[in-house]
Amino acid sequence: DAGVIQSPRHEVTEMGQEVTLRCKPISGHDYLFWYRQTMMRGLELLIYFNNNVPIDDSGMPEDRFSAKMPNASFSTLKIQPSEPRDSAVYFCASSWVGLGETQYFGPGTRLLVL
Amino acid sequence: GQQLNQSPQSMFIQEGEDVSMNCTSSSIFNTWLWYKQEPGEGPVLLIALYKAGELTSNGRLTAQFGITRKDSFLNISASIPSDVGIYFCAGLHVGNTGKLIFGQGTTLQVKP
Repeated sequence: DAGVIQSPRHEVTEMGQEVTLRCKPISGHDYLFWYRQTMMRGLELLIYFNNNVPIDDSGMPEDRFSAKMPNASFSTLKIQPSEPRDSAVYFCASSWVGLGETQYFGPGTRLLVL
Repeated sequence: GQQLNQSPQSMFIQEGEDVSMNCTSSSIFNTWLWYKQEPGEGPVLLIALYKAGELTSNGRLTAQFGITRKDSFLNISASIPSDVGIYFCAGLHVGNTGKLIFGQGTTLQVKP
C-alpha cells in the first residue's frame, strides 16, 4: 500500500515567493497533520484536519501560512509570502481513529527560502 | 508548547551494546508511540502502545507503557550500525484527540 505522499520533495525559492506544499494521505485515514521540523525547535504541529475539516490551527506561525483540505485525498500548505526563516522540513502525516490514532508520516518537503 | 522530556539527548555506543531511552511527562497519556527518523526521511513508526503497563516488542526493539501513564521507555538490544538515527517518543494526551506531543528526540550513533 502507498504511504503518505508529499510533493515536491525539495523546494528552493526566493524570499517573497509563494510556496505550495502538497500531501496525499493514506487512503481511508480520517486525520491529516502538517508538521514543521527544524534543528532549533524540533517537530512542531502546525495544523490538523479531521474529515477534511480544520480542527486545530494554533500551531500555524502567522497569517502567511494557510492550509486547505478540499477532499479526503489531498491537502495543501501554502506560505505567501515566504521568508528565509520558513526554511525547514515540512511533514504531512495521516492517521485513522481506529488505529488508536497512530500517525504515519510522509517523506517530507525540504524547503529553502533564500 | 507542551513537550515530553526525552533522554538521553544523544548516545554514541559500540555495535552489539544494548540501548535504553525514555520519555516522561507531568501529565497522563493514553497512547505512546516510538518513531525512528533517518537522515532525509520522515519519522517511521516503530512501536505503538495503548495500555498502561503494556510491553511490546518488534524484533530487537522493546517498548513499555509506564504504569503511571506518564512515561515510556524503548530498549534496543544488540545494536547494529543500521540502528543509527533519531528516535522520537510521542504521546497522545488524554482528552486531546489526534494531537500528538513529541519528545525532543534521542540521536543514536553506533560504532562498528
